[in-house]
Amino acid sequence: KAGVTQTPRYLIKTRGQQVTLSCSPISGHRSVSWYQQTPGQGLQFLFEYFSETQRNKGNFPGRFSGRQFSNSRSEMNVSTLELGDSALYLCASSAAGTRNNEQFFGPGTRLTVL
Amino acid sequence: QQQVKQSPQSLIVQKGGISIINCAYENTAFDYFPWYQQFPGKGPALLIAIRPDVSEKKEGRFTISFNKSAKQFSLHIMDSQPGDSATYFCAAGVGDDKIIFGKGTRLHILP
Repeated sequence: KAGVTQTPRYLIKTRGQQVTLSCSPISGHRSVSWYQQTPGQGLQFLFEYFSETQRNKGNFPGRFSGRQFSNSRSEMNVSTLELGDSALYLCASSAAGTRNNEQFFGPGTRLTVL
Repeated sequence: QQQVKQSPQSLIVQKGGISIINCAYENTAFDYFPWYQQFPGKGPALLIAIRPDVSEKKEGRFTISFNKSAKQFSLHIMDSQPGDSATYFCAAGVGDDKIIFGKGTRLHILP
């Protein structure tokens, strides 16, 4: 079974631009969660999608948004990029949700904002 | 109240020694406590998980100890090996489907 894949793996953008990151979950998994990882803050939960609906949301500004397609693939969008958005963005898939279900993480997308 | 506090931030242990990482939480509603291991360039991977009705869980060289009254849990790595060098995250499950992570411990095992 293929693991969670994320594209692109690396991205460089400038302040004010927007970016879209993509995540393909493990086949059969319906839940996709997104996390931001930075050295100072660790792993911070962004949001979770289940069957195309946002089921949980973390404490991030509205510039961060996401969506999930009928094939469970998910995209995350960040608009009006700021320097502080530089981070590793991880997505994780699970069969039914993050609670009590093992999450499988992708390798992440390293975003650098200049 | 949603935080999970993890310590130490970094840890150096001799090969063969015991590595101990501690986590504390405030929210008594947490009922799922996983530990994740992350190697450079990779996403985190589930190592071991425990529920509050169990005080200890062991898988190979990895043991989680859980103290419900103190709201603390810890990861012990016995006979630590250089291949265990990684960043470890504790986490706690709360609500319907949300996991809160600690800030991570960078573990280095000296050969």
